[in-house]
Amino acid sequence: GQNIDQPTEMTATEGAIVQINCTYQTSGFNGLFWYQQHAGEAPTFLSYNVLDGLEEKGRFSSFLSRSKGYSYLLLKELQMKDSASYLCAVLDSNYQLIWGAGTKLIIKP
Amino acid sequence: DVKVTQSSRYLVKRTGEKVFLECVQDMDHENMFWYRQDPGLGLRLIYFSYDVKMKEKGDIPEGYSVSREKKERFSLILESASTNQTSMYLCASSQGQGQTDTQYFGPGTRLTVL
Repeated sequence: GQNIDQPTEMTATEGAIVQINCTYQTSGFNGLFWYQQHAGEAPTFLSYNVLDGLEEKGRFSSFLSRSKGYSYLLLKELQMKDSASYLCAVLDSNYQLIWGAGTKLIIKP
Repeated sequence: DVKVTQSSRYLVKRTGEKVFLECVQDMDHENMFWYRQDPGLGLRLIYFSYDVKMKEKGDIPEGYSVSREKKERFSLILESASTNQTSMYLCASSQGQGQTDTQYFGPGTRLTVL
């Protein structure tokens, strides 16, 4: 079967750095998305990785290792507004999106 | 800015009722999707549409149907609502081919079936 694993919940301190991991076992791979979802709101796009390596976008970076079936989202200089759920989703060999359950990130002052 | 709107934020219905959830996008996107989101589970695709009057079953289509009469509008229909359909329903749209492109989501409809 196809599976996406993410930690259910993480806690971090304002101003710090946090890494949210995503591991996947899917039938093929055609890219990986990260979305952010604040409580009660719509998910919004953060990043897309299809090649190995690190993609940096301001305070957020996303890393992919296809050989390890692994990605992480790195958030630097955490702000209270970063409190949200972070969803990992993989495009499989049929170009169907497989979604993880999401990681709820709690930021403490 | 892409805008995806859903007809209701909260909805309470009784078992056996017919329920309509409407979604409208204003960016001329080809693709539209209906998901449900439940605690501890990833988004699950119910139905999607790549063009007007076209529809494809997703992973959990049972108990649901859809309609896409106009490009900007995609409706989800629960023919006879049941308590196990209590959930958050998210609509999304995208350009490009299938599910390969960034999806833009509506704010969601939290449906409670009593």
